[in-house]
Amino acid sequence: QSVLTQPPSVSAAPGQKVTISCSGSSSNTGRNYVSWYQQFPGTAPQLLIYENIKRPSGIPDRFSGSKSGTSATLGITGLQTGDEAYYYCGTWDSSLGAGVFGGGTKLTVL
Amino acid sequence: EVQLVESGGALVQPGGSLRLSCAASGFMFDNYVMSWVRQAPGKGLEWVAAITGSAISTDYADSVRGRFTISRDNSKSILYLQMTSLRVEDTAVYYCAKHTMSWTVLEYWGQGTLVTVSS
Repeated sequence: QSVLTQPPSVSAAPGQKVTISCSGSSSNTGRNYVSWYQQFPGTAPQLLIYENIKRPSGIPDRFSGSKSGTSATLGITGLQTGDEAYYYCGTWDSSLGAGVFGGGTKLTVL
Repeated sequence: EVQLVESGGALVQPGGSLRLSCAASGFMFDNYVMSWVRQAPGKGLEWVAAITGSAISTDYADSVRGRFTISRDNSKSILYLQMTSLRVEDTAVYYCAKHTMSWTVLEYWGQGTLVTVSS
């Protein structure tokens, strides 16, 4: 059972938009910045979004992040088949004194 | 270019010990918090432990506290994870990761090293 809650899977057609939610509590997402990571099978995760809304250099602006209260959202527009991957949200939990992740969301581009 | 290269993964029996290493390059190693994150086969990410740049402070997940020890050698730019009393459920790919200046951001990840705990 992950501390942060994500939907197990989402899907959409190429060119469409999808959103992935990440729900936490006042001690983690409600208090600290949220990051998003993209992971292709058999490879290491890669930072996609940090501090709720910022993109590292090299990440296309098709990827966006937002946060409201204790929930964060990853948005992906102009879906491509190459976006098929697992997406994880993560942050720090100030009460646990520990890093926490969501359970991951598998994105399928139909 | 930031590089993180893990090593030390192996097959070990339950109750055994293992030490993982992560060789870092391309940044001022002692300026940054570092973490270990693991991923069991077919499962999601689980944060394991973190250590500040000066090694003054460490934090652990409840699942490993008392059994695992994170440490670092800033003179060699190497991060370690000493694992003892290993359990079958510790089987996972272990990644080392560099934070930004924020505890919430894992900016760069290594390729991972596989630890298998089995009799």
